[in-house]
Amino acid sequence: GIQVEQSPPDLILQEGANSTLRCNFSDSVNNLQWFHQNPWGQLINLFYIPSGTKQNGRLSATTVATERYSLLYISSSQTTDSGVYFCAVVVSFQKLVFGTGTRLLVSP
Amino acid sequence: DGGITQSPKYLFRKEGQNVTLSCEQNLNHDAMYWYRQDPGQGLRLIYYSQIVNDFQKGDIAEGYSVSREKKESFPLTVTSAQKNPTAFYLCASSIRGRGPGQPQHFGDGTRLSIL
Repeated sequence: GIQVEQSPPDLILQEGANSTLRCNFSDSVNNLQWFHQNPWGQLINLFYIPSGTKQNGRLSATTVATERYSLLYISSSQTTDSGVYFCAVVVSFQKLVFGTGTRLLVSP
Repeated sequence: DGGITQSPKYLFRKEGQNVTLSCEQNLNHDAMYWYRQDPGQGLRLIYYSQIVNDFQKGDIAEGYSVSREKKESFPLTVTSAQKNPTAFYLCASSIRGRGPGQPQHFGDGTRLSIL
């Protein structure tokens, strides 16, 4: 089956720093979502992005489907950005396959 | 407010018992899903349902069962056949569309532990 790899696995930032998270996938996908899982386990939708670039406040995402990767940018990070970031790809009718996640810790 | 409600938040089970996790949504979504998350891991698909009275196995369905008698409800039963049931269980729903997948929205999860 499709492989979804995220890098880096762990990231520690000082508050205010910028970061880029990467998601590589091994086969063609129908779509891609980015999620943030907070320390309480809640999974929050960030982006639904099959291709191109989207921005939402301090976050933006870019997917280049032809090259099988997506990037999530976090600017001016805040402590509330801490948690695990997952990308997930749609490989068939609405079936999501999740990556292994990037664990982010933003320190004050 | 529209959303997905999972209950209970925490659940403890004795070995050999079946337990049922509840998932209710008022988003009028056709499709619903159950995922399992182990510590430090991503989510894996257990079962999904695209319409009422129909559901399909995901990647790790062994030891689990589901029903979809109502559009808004998709309960998951963890049976005694599931050898390692301790995990975080997340329910999701989405619009059932003809396009290349619709975004999935998640409940807050149920943490299941074996006593």
